[in-house]
Amino acid sequence: QVQLQESGPGLVTPSETLSLTCTISGDSINSHSWWSWVRQPPGKGLQWIGEIYHGGTANYNPSLRSRVTMSVDTSKNLFSLQLRSVTTADTAVYYCARNNFFSLQYWGQGTLVTASS
Amino acid sequence: EIVLTQSPGTLSLSPGERATLSCRASQSVTNNYLAWYQQKPGQAPRLLIYYASTRATGIPDRFSGSGSGTDFTLTISRLEPEDSAVYHCQQYDNSPLYGFGPGTHLEIK
Repeated sequence: QVQLQESGPGLVTPSETLSLTCTISGDSINSHSWWSWVRQPPGKGLQWIGEIYHGGTANYNPSLRSRVTMSVDTSKNLFSLQLRSVTTADTAVYYCARNNFFSLQYWGQGTLVTASS
Repeated sequence: EIVLTQSPGTLSLSPGERATLSCRASQSVTNNYLAWYQQKPGQAPRLLIYYASTRATGIPDRFSGSGSGTDFTLTISRLEPEDSAVYHCQQYDNSPLYGFGPGTHLEIK
C-alpha cells in the first residue's frame, strides 16, 4: 500500500523559503511515476504546484515557476519542494501525491504551512 | 489554460437520493483526461474517477462518471451520510498540467 508523508516547518517567515519533504513508503520513487505537490489555502480550492520524475525532470505551474524548485533523493525514497520568497498568500495545506492515469492517485495527509512573522 | 467550472456550488440531498454534479471545461479536455475527487473536512482528497468514467480502486459502484469534450458529470446514486464532502474535478492539459475546479459541496441532510 502506497503511503506518502509530508514533513517540514509549519511556520515560515515572509520573504523566506518554504521547504517540505515527502517520504514514500510502499513504493519506490524509481517506479515509472511522476510525483506531485498540491496546495490548498484555508477554505479554498486545490492548486497544483508541480511534478517531478525520479531522474530529476520537473514540470511546474507557470504561476509559481519563478519561485519553485523540486528535487528527489532516491537513496532516501523521497522528494522535496522549495518555494522561495513566500508571502501570506502562500499559507496553505501542502499535499504530496503520486501521479497515475493523468490524475493524482495517492495523497499524503497534508501539512499546514503558515507564512507569518 | 483550461478553466473548470463546477455546479452547483452547494447541493443538499437526503440519504437514498441521487446526486448529479457537473464539471464544465472552457475548452475540450484532451482524451477525456478528467478526474473526480472526494474531500472530507480535514482530509486529503481521494481519487474517485479517472479518464472521465473509470472508477479508482476500492470506489463503490454507487459512484459513476460520464461525459466527454467539455461537459462531465459525477453521479452518486443511493446517497449515504458518509458521502457528505466537497467534490473536485480535475483536468490534465498543457499548462498547467493539472487544473482543478472550485468544488461542489454536497451535504446529506
